[in-house]
Amino acid sequence: QSVLTQPPSASVTPGQRVTISCSGSSPNIGSNYVYWYQHYPGTAPKLLIYKNNQRPSGVPDRFSGSKSGTSASLAISGLRSEDEADYYCAVWDDSLSGPIFGGGTKLTVL
Amino acid sequence: EVQLVDSGGDLVQPGRSLRLSCVASGFTFDDYAMHWVRQAPGKGLEWVSGISWNSGTIGYAGSVKGRFTISRDNAKNSLFLQMNSLRAEDTALYYCVKDMYTSPSSNFEYWGQGTLVTVSS
Repeated sequence: QSVLTQPPSASVTPGQRVTISCSGSSPNIGSNYVYWYQHYPGTAPKLLIYKNNQRPSGVPDRFSGSKSGTSASLAISGLRSEDEADYYCAVWDDSLSGPIFGGGTKLTVL
Repeated sequence: EVQLVDSGGDLVQPGRSLRLSCVASGFTFDDYAMHWVRQAPGKGLEWVSGISWNSGTIGYAGSVKGRFTISRDNAKNSLFLQMNSLRAEDTALYYCVKDMYTSPSSNFEYWGQGTLVTVSS
């Protein structure tokens, strides 16, 4: 079981908005930046959000990140079929002295 | 264009060793920390190990500490992972990953395509 808790799955219809949560604790989310990754199985994962809410060049503004206390969220608006993928949060953990991932959320676009 | 080409994955017996390699191009390799991240079949992503730009800072996940050794050769733009005493639970797709910073962080900026390690008798 991961130190960071994400819902294992989410289902949304095209055009809708979805929020994926990532719950942690003081040594990780409470003290450090949160990152989000998009992963299509069989391909290389992609950095989606860095430093809680920053988008790398090329990532659409439909994707946004936020953090409050020991929790973080990834929001995706105007959902498209190509958004169907696995999403992971990641953060440095001061207690473990290394980065940790959430368990991942499989997003299905119905 | 950043490219990370992972290699070295194979089918090995429990208890044996394997060495993974990653050749980087498209950026100044010795300016950035590098990592290995793995994904076991049907499981999520797991950080394995990270190394700073000058090899001065190295970290390992608890599950591999004492068995795996990360290293880099900046002259050859290469990252390595020496894996000893392999176990069935080490079976996974191993990704070479570029950090955005000089020291290890959780900012995994670019990922290789992965190399498959299967540990089975």
